[in-house]
Amino acid sequence: AQSVTQPDIHITVSEGASLELRCNYSYGATPYLFWYVQSPGQGLQLLLKYFSGDTLVQGIKGFEAEFKRSQSSFNLRKPSVHWSDAAEYFCAVGAGNTPLVFGKGTRLSVIA
Amino acid sequence: DVKVTQSSRYLVKRTGEKVFLECVQDMDHENMFWYRQDPGLGLRLIYFSYDVKMKEKGDIPEGYSVSREKKERFSLILESASTNQTSMYLCATRQYEKLFFGSGTQLSVL
Repeated sequence: AQSVTQPDIHITVSEGASLELRCNYSYGATPYLFWYVQSPGQGLQLLLKYFSGDTLVQGIKGFEAEFKRSQSSFNLRKPSVHWSDAAEYFCAVGAGNTPLVFGKGTRLSVIA
Repeated sequence: DVKVTQSSRYLVKRTGEKVFLECVQDMDHENMFWYRQDPGLGLRLIYFSYDVKMKEKGDIPEGYSVSREKKERFSLILESASTNQTSMYLCATRQYEKLFFGSGTQLSVL
């Protein structure tokens, strides 16, 4: 069965510091991988997605993620975090017409 | 832009009440989903629908049912609300592989 693990429940970084949020997945076929962000009081917004091809994908708001098949990982990165990036981040996996499976989320706090 | 509208942002109901959560989309998408979101548990799929009058159980369907009589509307029904159904409920539609979410309904069952 497919599953997504986000090992970090809560991460705190300083504004301007780099960020990496971890995501590991278990999926029987070649997966589609996603990162969503949920700002306080808001719905979920797609940050980026990986279907195939280049394993480094660029998303909105300066985020990128790298697919590593050998490690079953799809980690999200940002070189310099802004205070407005404070939110909850969800990794998700799916393929074809099946519903997405989401991880439990990582809450990001940004301090001055 | 795709618009997914959930009828209520906040809802307070009593134990045993029948509760309807409504979701309407304006983009003619065939696929619609209901998730619940709880702190520390992420998003869990309750039910989904691939088309009108079609429904499929997700991972946690117990205590819920759904209705899809028109393509644009997907309703989640709590037949007899219980306190453990207090949660944030998120509706989503899908176009190709992209999900579009509503703003959510925070349901409190007292």
